[in-house]
Amino acid sequence: QVTLRESGPALVKPTQTLTLTCTFSGFSLSTSGMCVSWIRQPPGKALEWLALIDWDDDKYYSTSLKTRLTISKDTSKNQVVLTLTNMDPVDTATYYCARSPSALGPFDYWGQGTLVTVSS
Amino acid sequence: QSALTQPASVSGSPGQSITISCTGTRSDVGGYNYASWYQQHPGKAPKLMIYEVSHRPSGVSNRFSGSKSGNTASLTISGLQAEDEADYYCSSYTNSSTPVIFGGGTKLTVL
Repeated sequence: QVTLRESGPALVKPTQTLTLTCTFSGFSLSTSGMCVSWIRQPPGKALEWLALIDWDDDKYYSTSLKTRLTISKDTSKNQVVLTLTNMDPVDTATYYCARSPSALGPFDYWGQGTLVTVSS
Repeated sequence: QSALTQPASVSGSPGQSITISCTGTRSDVGGYNYASWYQQHPGKAPKLMIYEVSHRPSGVSNRFSGSKSGNTASLTISGLQAEDEADYYCSSYTNSSTPVIFGGGTKLTVL
């Protein structure tokens, strides 16, 4: 049974760095082709893909957020970590992690999401 | 890179069929058979409904089908049911600097 769960702060202040952890089970990120992505959704708005890390530790980032994002994995702990620097109120969103069997997609399993609010 | 283009809303009556379009370019939808569709109910995580243009994951109703013509992928829901009322998002692999792109989402209302 594949599960993913996001964890991190619910509230961050402007200019702070957000660190989110995706803890998963039921699959291994050392399996050839396997990927985990971070995707966010501002309240009432569309999904926005942020970053992807694959089994071989290749990393891909949203062009618009590339300078602020870092994705990493700890295969032994079954975790993927996302950091987003210099947080702004427009970064308020529900952040999801999702699994894909390859970088070609699709996102077949999703976490329940975690709402992050940016406010002073 | 701009998002894939979806209609903001569609509606239909129970029992009817509706189609949601997702228009991209030759760099994404048109160039590859890696378009997928996700259903999202309010307050819930998205759920994969269609992958690789027309494939249904195990457990997804056969009332959901997908197709592609040129740069446009489409999701058709037949025999509309009240439970189908949700937001639907398309996504595609893209050969741009980022491997994934989403559509802007379509709100389906079952009248």
